Amino acid sequence: ILNVEQSPQSLHVQEGDSTNFTCSFPSSNFYALHWYRWETAKSPEALFVMTLNGDEKKKGRISATLNTKEGYSYLYIKGSQPEDSATYLCAFKNSNSGYALNFGKGTSLLVTP
Amino acid sequence: DAGVTQSPTHLIKTRGQQVTLRCSPKSGHDTVSWYQQALGQGPQFIFQYYEEEERQRGNFPDRFSGHQFPNYSSELNVNALLLGDSALYLCASGSLPLYEQYFGPGTRLTVT
Repeated sequence: ILNVEQSPQSLHVQEGDSTNFTCSFPSSNFYALHWYRWETAKSPEALFVMTLNGDEKKKGRISATLNTKEGYSYLYIKGSQPEDSATYLCAFKNSNSGYALNFGKGTSLLVTP
Repeated sequence: DAGVTQSPTHLIKTRGQQVTLRCSPKSGHDTVSWYQQALGQGPQFIFQYYEEEERQRGNFPDRFSGHQFPNYSSELNVNALLLGDSALYLCASGSLPLYEQYFGPGTRLTVT
C-alpha cells in the first residue's frame, strides 16, 4: 500500500479567494499523478493526469504542478467560486502499483458567497 | 455518451447475505476497475478486469469477486457480507495505457 497524504483535510474560503492544496506521495518509481474533483452525489471528475517532473497543467481557474523528485503536487484554484465546492482527490501510481490508483483521503473545499 | 454507469444507486443488505453490483464502462473503454471507499477514507483498489479476466487485485479477501462480460460491463460480487463492507463502491473504466480513468457515481452499500 502506497501512502498518499493530502492537506489540508478541509478548507473553507470566501468567494474570490485563491487557495491551494497539497498531495504528497512516495517519490520512488513514479509513474503518474491524477487529480479528481468530486461533488457530492456525482461521479469523480478527472481534472489532470501528470506524468513528468515539472509538469504544469491548467484548466480554467484550476492549475496543478508536479515535483516527482520530492514527491508532491500542488493544486491551485484562482478566484474560488461557490461551484468549486467539492472534494479534491489525488491518486498516485508508481511502477510497482501496476494498474491500481492509490488515493489520498481528499481535501474538502467549501466556498461561501 | 452516458459515461460510466453503475447500478443500483443504493442497497441495504443484512450481514451474511450476498450482493452483486453492476458497472457499464464509458463507450470505447475495455478495462474496468472497482474501488471501495469507506467513510473518511480515500477509495481503495479492489481489482481490475481486462479481456474478461482479473488482471490485478488489491488487498481484499476472496469474498470479493468479479466478472467482466464480452461487452466490457462488469459485476462486483461480495459474499458473506460483514458490517465493515458498508461503503461506497466505485467503478472506473479506461483503456490502455490507463493514464485516465473515468469513474461512475458509485453504489452505496449498507450492511445491517
